[in-house]
Amino acid sequence: NAGVTQTPKFQVLKTGQSMTLQCAQDMNHEYMSWYRQDPGMGLRLIHYSVGAGITDQGEVPNGYNVSRSTTEDFPLRLLSAAPSQTSVYFCASRPGLDWGYNEQFFGPGTRLTVL
Amino acid sequence: AQSVTQPDIHITVSEGASLELRCNYSYGATPYLFWYVQSPGQGLQLLLKYFSGDTLVQGIKGFEAEFKRSQSSFNLRKPSVHWSDAAEYFCAVDKAAGNKLTFGGGTRVLVKP
Repeated sequence: NAGVTQTPKFQVLKTGQSMTLQCAQDMNHEYMSWYRQDPGMGLRLIHYSVGAGITDQGEVPNGYNVSRSTTEDFPLRLLSAAPSQTSVYFCASRPGLDWGYNEQFFGPGTRLTVL
Repeated sequence: AQSVTQPDIHITVSEGASLELRCNYSYGATPYLFWYVQSPGQGLQLLLKYFSGDTLVQGIKGFEAEFKRSQSSFNLRKPSVHWSDAAEYFCAVDKAAGNKLTFGGGTRVLVKP
């Protein structure tokens, strides 16, 4: 298993540009989520999904969109990038709650800079 | 709303010395508690978790944590630190059937030779 994969590893955008951060998992996990990591603030939940076709907002959803058309993929879209979105983004997944609460598996992260 | 506080932003410890990282949480019901470690440039790896039962939890890499409900704390300890333990450590909390893991701000550990 590759686990949780994220692409790209690094990205530089100009203010106003749009882009999609890709996340995929091959563990058949129902739950997937996106976090952003900023110095001194730990990781903050952006959006999450409990299964294909179901998404919900986390703590800091503004400026980001998500969709979940398949179990494997959970892309994060920045519609109009702003410097405040400069951060490291982590995708994570875990089995659904029917299996009891399990640990989340994190991807390697995407470092995004918005100029 | 649930929250997590890690009071120490940085800790410097000598190799071979003991390490204790503090974590305090705020949550009304029974929390699910976690400690993650992040090595430089890497993703997060789970060290240990507490759901219920014995309040002293053993994890990987020789780490342990103790859940103290009366103090709303879940402190992480290691008796003897190795240079490879230099990393950033995050405490996190969620509720029993939750989907919103909340992280503390992290503690960066530096290990002196």
